[in-house]
Amino acid sequence: QAGLAQPPSMSRDLRQTATLTCSGSKNNVGNQGAAWLQQRQGHPPKLLFYRNNKRPSGISERFSVSRSGNTASLTISGLQAEDEADYYCTAWDSDLTVWLFGGGTKLTVL
Amino acid sequence: EVQLVESGGGLVQPGGSLRLSCAASGFTFGSYGMNWVRQAPGKGLEWVAYASGISGNIYYADFAKGRFTISRDNDKNALYLQMNSLRADDTAMYYCGRASDFDYWGQGVLVAVSS
Repeated sequence: QAGLAQPPSMSRDLRQTATLTCSGSKNNVGNQGAAWLQQRQGHPPKLLFYRNNKRPSGISERFSVSRSGNTASLTISGLQAEDEADYYCTAWDSDLTVWLFGGGTKLTVL
Repeated sequence: EVQLVESGGGLVQPGGSLRLSCAASGFTFGSYGMNWVRQAPGKGLEWVAYASGISGNIYYADFAKGRFTISRDNDKNALYLQMNSLRADDTAMYYCGRASDFDYWGQGVLVAVSS
């Protein structure tokens, strides 16, 4: 089962803005959107955004999401050192009846 | 406070079996679907299986079909993953995750398949 497409890595300077993308199809991202997860080294993943674009309590407003067609995006503004992590998107594929994950984007904050 | 605690991992020989458990607390377990997700060393997240809360719907990733069985006991607030015919490429950290959008995760349990 093919997953969702994410760029494997990205680096940005402190206090800059990073936009991470997640590409799928009309059966997954284009249908119900994508959820976004952050995973710091040595820790389990943490939900940043639900598929309905809602932010769980405790997630900074520096994080925002958008979607255009079959591509979802996560934007992190005012980058901080603590934002250095792996970021994953995930979506339910209504045709395959499976959850798909992107390969993850490793964000480095310089 | 929502808590998910996995157990049952360990070292197993190729072809062997393991049963993972996930103990849930802090929420009405039966009202939520639950997932198993794994992560091989140095790799990304890979969905394994899903079990709905009440309706009984169950779904598997292709690699899990026929070898893995997800189940749950809503009276015991527990989720399980029976893994048979284990292979070296099943070596991973296995996480249980709540609901449709993985809003809560356990700390994970390590499964190592090696002779």
